[in-house]
Amino acid sequence: QVVVTQEPSLTVSPGGTVTLTCATSTGAVTRGLYPYWFQQKAGQAPRTLIYDTNYRHSWTPARFSGSLLGDKAALTLSGAQPGDEADYYCLLSYSGFRVFGGGTKLTVL
Amino acid sequence: QVQLVQSGAEVKEPGASVKVSCEASGYTFTNCPLHWVRQAPGQRLEWMGWINVGNGDTKYSQKFQGRVTITMDTSASTVYMELSGLASEDTAVYYCGRDGVDSSGRALDFDYWGQGTLVTVSS
Repeated sequence: QVVVTQEPSLTVSPGGTVTLTCATSTGAVTRGLYPYWFQQKAGQAPRTLIYDTNYRHSWTPARFSGSLLGDKAALTLSGAQPGDEADYYCLLSYSGFRVFGGGTKLTVL
Repeated sequence: QVQLVQSGAEVKEPGASVKVSCEASGYTFTNCPLHWVRQAPGQRLEWMGWINVGNGDTKYSQKFQGRVTITMDTSASTVYMELSGLASEDTAVYYCGRDGVDSSGRALDFDYWGQGTLVTVSS
């Protein structure tokens, strides 16, 4: 059973920069696992922020960027805004089977 | 515009089955696979499975294998997710999500989501 791990919670100051990471129990996260990042605000459906490691959705602000950092996928938020407070989930694909990470609760404070 | 509209909330007794629908509109239904994802109260997202609407092929998470069945009705542009053997731990919001492509033709999974369907399992 594959396990995808994220930081349970992070805090960033308004205007600050924070990096969320996503690790897999199978070894290193690579482009071949097609990392996705989703944002979910309270009471809402998730929405895609980043796909295929580093591509922004049309509605994703430029302050969000995706990358590979060491053996993990990473989501970096530069210039955090209060409206970015949300849960963030990564998703990895294993030959068509998807696995979500446990999510990171991001607080902007 | 693309829309995924799910069926309404359900209340089921333990041991029962539930069937949730996801009706697609605004695009060619058979072009885009559809996933099912659930989220228990206060918990993380869980991928349950998906269906290739073009040919009916399915893949299921090992966790739900044997309990979940995803089907489709192309005449109604609708995908269904049936979960059997319900227990209280299955109380969750169930979402469908579409796999699309971006403007460059690159795969863009979960580009649209349904509004979610709350399934409550209680005696």
